[in-house]
Amino acid sequence: GAVVSQHPSWVICKSGTSVKIECRSLDFQATTMFWYRQFPKQSLMLMATSNEGSKATYEQGVEKDKFLINHASLTLSTLTVTSAHPEDSSFYICSASSSGANGYNEQFFGPGTRLTVL
Amino acid sequence: AQSVTQLDSHVSVSEGTPVLLRCNYSSSYSPSLFWYVQHPNKGLQLLLKYTSAATLVKGINGFEAEFKKSETSFHLTKPSAHMSDAAEYFCVVSPLTGTYKYIFGTGTRLKVLA
Repeated sequence: GAVVSQHPSWVICKSGTSVKIECRSLDFQATTMFWYRQFPKQSLMLMATSNEGSKATYEQGVEKDKFLINHASLTLSTLTVTSAHPEDSSFYICSASSSGANGYNEQFFGPGTRLTVL
Repeated sequence: AQSVTQLDSHVSVSEGTPVLLRCNYSSSYSPSLFWYVQHPNKGLQLLLKYTSAATLVKGINGFEAEFKKSETSFHLTKPSAHMSDAAEYFCVVSPLTGTYKYIFGTGTRLKVLA
């Protein structure tokens, strides 16, 4: 149980285009989803937290207009990187959490999406 | 406020010898603590978690960790390293309630020598 998928697993795009990454909780309803960014050989950096039906809460320094997050249902959140540039190239990981599940706040992680912007 | 410190950025051990990856935390609240492993270009896999139950936590693949409140530590150990254990390991702290945000350590890269 508690499986989270991401699609695509990798994507290459041209500079200036937009890219959408999907995060799905396959066997549970995720009241909260998180988006992380990971640079090579570094730790995960939280970008934003999204609750179903609400606007995402972005961490300080993360551009809201650059990284659009939508959490339209209890099983799907999307991250759109708008007008992507080479510096947006990174490994993006989502996680999902079900409020109160098992009595504590475990996040279940997706396998990640490797974005390369040419 | 919460924080987590992984004391070693790199650890090298020989195959068959014990593994110790150190993690210290700071938390204003009773925390949840987790260890995750990440192989190259892969997502995170949960090794084990502490959620205010038993202080000695056993995880997958022979790993275990002990929650020591007096030392604010949650070190990860394994009696005998295997080549497949070579990976990046992250210690994570999170409050038991509230925002459910994870605070990640900077990671420890484990190298296993043949």
